Amino acid sequence: QKEVEQNSGPLSVPEGAIASLNCTYSDRVSQSFFWYRQYSGKSPELIMSIYSNGDKEDGRFTAQLNKASQYVSLLIRDSQPSDSATYLCAVKDRDYKLSFGAGTTVTVRA
Amino acid sequence: EAQVTQNPRYLITVTGKKLTVTCSQNMNHEYMSWYRQDPGLGLRQIYYSMNVEVTDKGDVPEGYKVSRKEKRNFPLILESPSPNQTSLYFCASSLQGVGEQYFGPGTRLTVT
Repeated sequence: QKEVEQNSGPLSVPEGAIASLNCTYSDRVSQSFFWYRQYSGKSPELIMSIYSNGDKEDGRFTAQLNKASQYVSLLIRDSQPSDSATYLCAVKDRDYKLSFGAGTTVTVRA
Repeated sequence: EAQVTQNPRYLITVTGKKLTVTCSQNMNHEYMSWYRQDPGLGLRQIYYSMNVEVTDKGDVPEGYKVSRKEKRNFPLILESPSPNQTSLYFCASSLQGVGEQYFGPGTRLTVT
């Protein structure tokens, strides 16, 4: 079974700070990577997808991918209390399956 | 409104009593999938369907069946539920492939 590992958290950051979330994956042939946000009691929602090495920015979110190191990260700049949630890293393998990490819970302190 | 719907949202049942959880999407998506979410284990894929002709097992298919007779619906069937299938279940869909998925609201199942 493909493994996706995330830093366990919980991660507590002050409002306005940068939250940094990390994810490593075991399947070297993985090509597609996603970050989902899940509020307590709600379903996951996609916030970022990244397919090639480097950085991808969308508003206050930046995803970073390094395939050689099998590492993908998510930065949340200017963190807001509304960013308090669990963030799930997901990796697509060659067989059209999607594997998720266990998630990192982020709490933004006002 | 574009959405994935699941029914029921909550279900308490007994061991061995067959049940079906329905999933429907109105976005004309090709790909649909079922996941279960358990504390500490994250989301695990049960089954997925690339389109109405192709369905395949995910990482935890034991004890589950699925059916994809039409594009919009993808029911999850538990022929003989057991307590270890107590979990939170999500259905998801995406336009093509396994990429950017939209999730349903979830079904919380308890098997006693």
